[in-house]
Amino acid sequence: SQQGEEDPQALSIQEGENATMNCSYKTSINNLQWYRQNSGRGLVHLILIRSNEREKHSGRLRVTLDTSKKSSSLLITASRAADTASYFCATDYGGQGGSEKLVFGKGMKLTVNP
Amino acid sequence: DVKVTQSSRYLVKRTGEKVFLECVQDMDHENMFWYRQDPGLGLRLIYFSYDVKMKEKGDIPEGYSVSREKKERFSLILESASTNQTSMYLCASGWNEQFFGPGTRLTVL
Repeated sequence: SQQGEEDPQALSIQEGENATMNCSYKTSINNLQWYRQNSGRGLVHLILIRSNEREKHSGRLRVTLDTSKKSSSLLITASRAADTASYFCATDYGGQGGSEKLVFGKGMKLTVNP
Repeated sequence: DVKVTQSSRYLVKRTGEKVFLECVQDMDHENMFWYRQDPGLGLRLIYFSYDVKMKEKGDIPEGYSVSREKKERFSLILESASTNQTSMYLCASGWNEQFFGPGTRLTVL
């Protein structure tokens, strides 16, 4: 399977702490994306990093990509209770006929305690 | 505000019934996707479409079919629902970044 794997599968921290989530994948990618899912809802796109980029920031989010290790990390700084959610990495291997398929990991559950 | 809507949030059907799940997007995206989400398995791609009347099988197409008659609408069809199709179904659209609907939680009894 080309599915990415998030690590750890679950993380519980206190409000104000930083949260780091890791994603490993298996083959070359065009880009890697992170999504958030609040309980029982659809996924929301957080950030995309291309294969030729090493680091990207968006607000309190910082994503790194190491293509030699086939891994990415998502750092959420100064976490808030509202960050409690499941987080998924998704890899884009490129598609045929103009389609862009993503392969999602199994997700990891972040709990931020107030 | 961009939007992907799904016809139902919760649905209960009986084994053998034909089930239609509808998805509509208002962003003029060419690509649309259907996933199912199960605990411990993450999201798995069922079918996707990159143009009207075009469709491609995803990783788990068995037991499903799709229809894309108009650009904004992508339907997932369970020809004869079975209990192992009880799941959360998520529709998405987009190129690179995907925009998701709220999901339909389908229970097949």
